[in-house]
Amino acid sequence: LAKTTQPISMDSYEGQEVNITCSHNNIATNDYITWYQQFPSQGPRFIIQGYKTKVTNEVASLFIPADRKSSTLSLPRVSLSDTAVYYCLVSGNTPLVFGKGTRLSVIA
Amino acid sequence: NAGVTQTPKFQVLKTGQSMTLQCAQDMNHEYMSWYRQDPGMGLRLIHYSVGAGITDQGEVPNGYNVSRSTTEDFPLRLLSAAPSQTSVYFCASSRGATFNTEAFFGQGTRLTVV
Repeated sequence: LAKTTQPISMDSYEGQEVNITCSHNNIATNDYITWYQQFPSQGPRFIIQGYKTKVTNEVASLFIPADRKSSTLSLPRVSLSDTAVYYCLVSGNTPLVFGKGTRLSVIA
Repeated sequence: NAGVTQTPKFQVLKTGQSMTLQCAQDMNHEYMSWYRQDPGMGLRLIHYSVGAGITDQGEVPNGYNVSRSTTEDFPLRLLSAAPSQTSVYFCASSRGATFNTEAFFGQGTRLTVV
């Protein structure tokens, strides 16, 4: 099962852009990179998914370099409500494996 | 559209008791899975199913059984509860032929074994 490495925690002030980088050196050809968000006492929620280059939706952007060994989740202008744990996963033909994620704390 | 529904939301068991955590989805998803989450930890995969009648083990299957008799339901059975099974349990479902489609999670069942 593909493993990912991401920072344990990050702090940011409201209104700043936050970039969370994830390392996935053993990503397979048919794997996609997916990010989930989890608030306390709730199940994870899908944020964004990509295979290569850049993907953008109304919530975030995902940057994936050509070698696909890492990816960066970008959250523009965070607010207090973005305080959560963010998980980076790689998935293809095997079930989702969650690491410990990155705990983002947004400060007023 | 209810999505993924888990019952109960909270449960207290005595050591040695058995119980079933229920999970139902109304999205006609083929893939369903169970995770447990301990304090400060990520989610760990217990069992998963790729369709009715098909189940497989995840990372931490010991002490748990599953079955998938219908597309909608994927119950998780604790055979003989132990304090080490105190955790929050999440059920998830997703469509598609691979595991890289969006997964939808339930609200969780908080289980305490005393």
